[in-house]
Amino acid sequence: KAGVTQTPRYLIKTRGQQVTLSCSPISGHRSVSWYQQTPGQGLQFLFEYFSETQRNKGNFPGRFSGRQFSNSRSEMNVSTLELGDSALYLCASSLEFSANEKLFFGSGTQLSVL
Amino acid sequence: GENVEQHPSTLSVQEGDSAVIKCTYSDSASNYFPWYKQELGKGPQLIIDIRSNVGEKKDQRIAVTLNKTAKHFSLHITETQPEDSAVYFCASKLSFGAGTTVTVRA
Repeated sequence: KAGVTQTPRYLIKTRGQQVTLSCSPISGHRSVSWYQQTPGQGLQFLFEYFSETQRNKGNFPGRFSGRQFSNSRSEMNVSTLELGDSALYLCASSLEFSANEKLFFGSGTQLSVL
Repeated sequence: GENVEQHPSTLSVQEGDSAVIKCTYSDSASNYFPWYKQELGKGPQLIIDIRSNVGEKKDQRIAVTLNKTAKHFSLHITETQPEDSAVYFCASKLSFGAGTTVTVRA
């Protein structure tokens, strides 16, 4: 069974640009959640999607958005990039809502904002 | 929202010794407590979890204990091996602890 796939693996952008990250969950998993990981702030929850609807949202500005497609694949978008957005962005999938379920993480997308 | 605190932030142990990592949580309604292991260049991987109706769970050399009254849970690794060196995270309700970097000295 294939794991969670995140693309691209690495990304370099400049301030002010926007970026879209992609996540393909494990087959059969309906929930996809996104996390930002930085050395200073650790793992912080961004949002969760279930059946194409955002079910939970973390404390991030509106520049961070996402969506989920009918095949459960998910994308997240960051607009007007700032230097502080440099981080490892992790996607995780689970069978149902992620708060009480095992999470299966991808290897992440390392975003560098210059 | 949930607040999870994890201690210690770093832990160095001699190969063969035990390692213990502790986490506290704030939401008394929380009922699922997973532990994740993250190796360099990889995403976190679930290693063990416990639900609130159980006080302890063991899987080979790793175990997790839960004290709902005190709102804390702990990860125990016995007979540590070099491959146990990694960063370990506890979690509760979409909130993660800050992580513990475990180094196993040969």
